[in-house]
Amino acid sequence: QVQVVQSGGEVQKPGASVKVSCKASGYTFTTYAFSWVRQAPGQGFEWMGWLNTNNGNTNYAQKFQGRVTMTTDTSTSTAYMELRSLRSDDTAVYYCAREKIDSADAFHVWGQGTMVTVSS
Amino acid sequence: DIQMTQSPSTLSASVGDRVTITCRASQSISRWLAWYQQKPGKAPKLLIYQASTLESGVPSRFSGSGSGTEFTLTISSLQPDDFATYYCQQFNNYPRTFGQGTKVEIK
Repeated sequence: QVQVVQSGGEVQKPGASVKVSCKASGYTFTTYAFSWVRQAPGQGFEWMGWLNTNNGNTNYAQKFQGRVTMTTDTSTSTAYMELRSLRSDDTAVYYCAREKIDSADAFHVWGQGTMVTVSS
Repeated sequence: DIQMTQSPSTLSASVGDRVTITCRASQSISRWLAWYQQKPGKAPKLLIYQASTLESGVPSRFSGSGSGTEFTLTISSLQPDDFATYYCQQFNNYPRTFGQGTKVEIK
């Protein structure tokens, strides 16, 4: 069955970086893209960007340009999201979500979420 | 960016009630709208995509309608498992924006 499993929670200091992984199974990895979305405690969702696993193309939200990098390792069917220069307001649950590469219509499959806490 | 506005923010209802949540887009998104359900501490679950297509495995008491800028999610007969927060999201263009959520509470 289709599964997407994310890496475990992280605690980082302000100014540090975090890299979250998203390992897929149960389908051909390069036939779907991933978006990364975050949810601050008690808040709604914020879309961070999109990664085409077939060719590595990305589309980042303007807010995160220069601070985020999304990559893929097709040999392990894993997508990654690295966020740098962390601030306290980056504390959130980070999700990867699978979508179609073309004519995306929804996030049909979600990872379980990774809690990232930024604290000195 | 396209702004998505849900109403109400909170809804109190009883088991068996018919519940309707509205989502409005700041510009036309055709039918590129999805609805999700989220329970505390869990990832969202897709309910509806392309405004009215029920995701496989989702109970038929959930339905979606609308196009352009106004959309609704309806639960025909609220069940105990349906008390949760519901979000809409547009897929017309980037960035993929979400509504702020509607919490469905027990009355």
